[in-house]
Amino acid sequence: DGGITQSPKYLFRKEGQNVTLSCEQNLNHDAMYWYRQDPGQGLRLIYYSQIVNDFQKGDIAEGYSVSREKKESFPLTVTSAQKNPTAFYLCASSLGDRWYGYTFGSGTRLTVV
Amino acid sequence: ILNVEQSPQSLHVQEGDSTNFTCSFPSSNFYALHWYRWETAKSPEALFVMTLNGDEKKKGRISATLNTKEGYSYLYIKGSQPEDSATYLCAQNSGNTPLVFGKGTRLSVIA
Repeated sequence: DGGITQSPKYLFRKEGQNVTLSCEQNLNHDAMYWYRQDPGQGLRLIYYSQIVNDFQKGDIAEGYSVSREKKESFPLTVTSAQKNPTAFYLCASSLGDRWYGYTFGSGTRLTVV
Repeated sequence: ILNVEQSPQSLHVQEGDSTNFTCSFPSSNFYALHWYRWETAKSPEALFVMTLNGDEKKKGRISATLNTKEGYSYLYIKGSQPEDSATYLCAQNSGNTPLVFGKGTRLSVIA
């Protein structure tokens, strides 16, 4: 079955460590996105990529980095520069056209201690 | 930055009641309006994508309308069931940009 896979589901890291969240899709979608959710907030866009080897900053990109070396994969690195990294992270993909909705992964809950 | 507002923030209804909630968005430079249902411990699931003023879409007991001139969309659920309990998200994009999401309406249907 086609879908989008995020791993791990839960992640615990010490303050000051970088951590990479995985996002893989086998839907042949061109566009991929990373959103962050905090309590009481809507989903906020971190980074997105509309084509391989290209990506754009979203509204809250500071302290994060991404790569898009393959169409299927869009990993997100949460660096030590991110002030409040504890959050729920959602990855999504789409055909990149306004007629189509996004397909979401099941999310990664990151806790920094 | 687009600002998408949803109301109410949360809603409790009895099984069998019909309900509706609102999504407000800037009407300028409108491109598309999306509705998603997000059940606890699952991924958000696309319900509707709407692009034209006056659009009405329906999926089973759930329907949605769109008014791009005044910048709002309504989501209706007829005869709510416990399995309808979820957070309903709306999102908009202007131009070929990523979706901007509202904070969602959390619906609880009490049996």
